Amino acid sequence: RKEVEQDPGPFNVPEGATVAFNCTYSNSASQSFFWYRQDCRKEPKLLMSVYSSGNEDGRFTAQLNRASQYISLLIRDSKLSDSATYLCVVTSGGYQKVTFGIGTKLQVIP
Amino acid sequence: SQTIHQWPATLVQPVGSPLSLECTVEGTSNPNLYWYRQAAGRGLQLLFYSVGIGQISSEVPQNLSASRPQDRQFILSSKKLLLSDSGFYLCAFPLRSTDTQYFGPGTRLTVL
Repeated sequence: RKEVEQDPGPFNVPEGATVAFNCTYSNSASQSFFWYRQDCRKEPKLLMSVYSSGNEDGRFTAQLNRASQYISLLIRDSKLSDSATYLCVVTSGGYQKVTFGIGTKLQVIP
Repeated sequence: SQTIHQWPATLVQPVGSPLSLECTVEGTSNPNLYWYRQAAGRGLQLLFYSVGIGQISSEVPQNLSASRPQDRQFILSSKKLLLSDSGFYLCAFPLRSTDTQYFGPGTRLTVL
């Protein structure tokens, strides 16, 4: 089993739609969780951290479920500019153990 | 502010040729530094990390090597490139106040 698993997609959604991505992780000792955004041929950039209490930033909401070992990202009112690949990131043991998912590709269609 | 520079931005090299990719950081001292590779259709793979000058840890055995000759400089090298070395190479250091990574702009390497 992969340490961090994501559906690679692509998810094709119309503008204005709500879309959700899930990511599962295998290490129950994982400590911190993040979502990154990666545009085509660019470096990944931190989108938001994920907390057990949930984290909301505008149209984006991230949730962590430790019992089921998954994290989620919800995007409301999708914009064309949201088209990108979203990477799930899990850390355990500090900087030396940062594991990235393969990413989920989102394409928002006009 | 903290920034990472990488060069070259893109590179096309023949199989068997040598490689040298450079990463330099600004706005921080004695950072942990990391080299990742992202191959087509695959996730980010940690190749090397360094906690200081001359200190390199390898995560994956391969024909690549890394060096840290200066505090803010991290170099990725190969004596003979393979086709499988093609990919997007990213240098990173820890984001302040978090335990995740901040990435440089990357070098896109194509081995023909």
